[in-house]
Amino acid sequence: AAGVIQSPRHLIKEKRETATLKCYPIPRHDTVYWYQQGPGQDPQFLISFYEKMQSDKGSIPDRFSAQQFSDYHSELNMSSLELGDSALYFCASSLAGSRVGVNTEAFFGQGTRLTVV
Amino acid sequence: GQNIDQPTEMTATEGAIVQINCTYQTSGFNGLFWYQQHAGEAPTFLSYNVLDGLEEKGRFSSFLSRSKGYSYLLLKELQMKDSASYLCALDSNYQLIWGAGTKLIIKP
Repeated sequence: AAGVIQSPRHLIKEKRETATLKCYPIPRHDTVYWYQQGPGQDPQFLISFYEKMQSDKGSIPDRFSAQQFSDYHSELNMSSLELGDSALYFCASSLAGSRVGVNTEAFFGQGTRLTVV
Repeated sequence: GQNIDQPTEMTATEGAIVQINCTYQTSGFNGLFWYQQHAGEAPTFLSYNVLDGLEEKGRFSSFLSRSKGYSYLLLKELQMKDSASYLCALDSNYQLIWGAGTKLIIKP
């Protein structure tokens, strides 16, 4: 079965550079979530999109932006990268509206490991 | 506010049973997830509880008491591959609020 695809799997950037992470949700899923997980930490919600509109915003820095495109894939754009941005970035997708709800599982991609040096 | 608590680490023996507890406080409860996460990998879905009671799925079961703000994940017949972090996540107000995770160590 198709799963959530994230690209790239690994990314190394220098401080102050920019990075773009991509997420391709499970076909027909209309909601995408982005999470950041630092070493030894639990995932932190960044932002979510439903039907190409931002549905909720978490602890996403102003240096980051994201959008969901007409084909439902999403991109997380990160600028002025800092060492502290080094983390695993997970994308999850789900069906049934703007929240993870009844009978809906949030399927996670394998993540993009971003290392800022 | 919203708050989730679960133990930081637990140790159990292969073949045994272990219960991982999760307590929470929230103003908007939709459901509670349990995820398993191996180091460096994405969380994988285990269960989602909306109503009070026990839901069983093979070796794993999850329990919820909404009035007590309490859930647990029960793992039976532990296997070495069950060594992982187990994350409790609150489905509340259009997002998931994550617990810090319980690192489960399985010993032979």
